[in-house]
Order: sequence, then C-alpha cells, then structure tokens
Amino acid sequence: GAGVSQSPSNKVTEKGKDVELRCDPISGHTALYWYRQSLGQGLEFLIYFQGNSAPDKSGLPSDRFSAERTGGSVSTLTIQRTQQEDSAVYLCASSLGRGGLPDTQYFGPGTRLTVL
Amino acid sequence: DQQVKQNSPSLSVQEGRISILNCDYTNSMFDYFLWYKKYPAEGPTFLISISSIKDKNEDGRFTVFLNKSAKHLSLHIVPSQPGDSAVYFCAASAERYTGNEKLTFGTGTRLTIIP
Repeated sequence: GAGVSQSPSNKVTEKGKDVELRCDPISGHTALYWYRQSLGQGLEFLIYFQGNSAPDKSGLPSDRFSAERTGGSVSTLTIQRTQQEDSAVYLCASSLGRGGLPDTQYFGPGTRLTVL
Repeated sequence: DQQVKQNSPSLSVQEGRISILNCDYTNSMFDYFLWYKKYPAEGPTFLISISSIKDKNEDGRFTVFLNKSAKHLSLHIVPSQPGDSAVYFCAASAERYTGNEKLTFGTGTRLTIIP
C-alpha cells in the first residue's frame, strides 16, 4: 500500500520568500507529525495533529511557521519569510493514533529545503 | 538541550560480528523508546521499540536493552549484515498514553558493515 508521501522532494528558495511543504499521510491514519532535521542534528518535533483536536504546536520554532491539516488528511507546513537557518530536511510522519497503545510512526521521504 | 544523546557519530563493524549502538537520555519522564533506521534520501523506518516496564526486547537479529537507572539503552544487531549499513536514530516518547507520541530523537549513528 501507499506510504507517506511528501512534495516537493527538494526546494530551493531565496531568503525572505514563503514556502509550502505538503504531506499526504497513509490513508486511515488519524495522527500526523511534522519534524525537521537540520545539518548534524537529530529530528526535531514541530507540530502534531490528531483527528479534529487542536494541534500541538509546541515545537514550532517561531511564528513564521504554521501548519494546517485539511479534512483530517493532507497537511501543509508553511514557512513565511524564510531564513537561512530554516534550511533542513522536513519530515512528515503519520500513525493510526490509537491512544493508550504503542503506535508506530511511518515517515515520508522528506523535503530538503535550502534557503539561499 | 539534547535530551537524547548518541555520542558515537559513526561505527564500523565486520560482517557477521555484533553491532552495538548506544543511546543515553536525560528526561526521566520518557517511558517508551524506539530505534529507527534511515537510508539516504529516505525517511526513517521503525526498527524496534521498548517500553519502560521492560529491560529487553528482541526481534530477530535485533535486541534493545534498557537500563532505566543509568538512563541508557542500546541496540544490538547480531549477526551484522551489509544491508544493515545505515544511520540509526534512537528516539524517546513521554506521552504514550495520550496518543500524542511526539518523539525526541538523538543525532544518529552511522553504521557501516564491512564485508
């Protein structure tokens, strides 16, 4: 079956421009996570969506970052006025979202963002 | 503040021998630990996990050991195979039972299996 897909796979942008990154989770998965991996760093949690609940935005590094999840499926991560320190691989993961049970997160291939 | 640490950025092991990857954590609230494997240009894939109520979990060639008092876990791969060459990430979660299992990751260890 189809896994988590992300687009674009690579994005090069100029400092100050806005970018949108897209994530298509596995069908039926109610939980969706965004992470990013900067050079030499581990994956860093950004935001979590679960069904119709309010998202956990505690990992977003600044108010230039926002994300939405429409219809409980596709998610878009938007970075406004990009800065060079935003350069990273942005990874999306989805899971069944079963509370109280171990729940494996399945990752997409990521979007490599380069801000010049 | 790195709550999950993998102090070895790289490790080389002869094919057929045991690979041991280590991970330390500082947050005592972590109650679920995972290992992910990552190939270039792909997302991480889940490998094995362990709950804090256990000290060992085994799946085929992969075994994870948890030492809560030392806040340390390790992944053993035996025997190591060339296909095991990848970057391995240790991850931890503190919110299993809320369904929000946001993970805190280490920086990864690049494992190279030498034929």
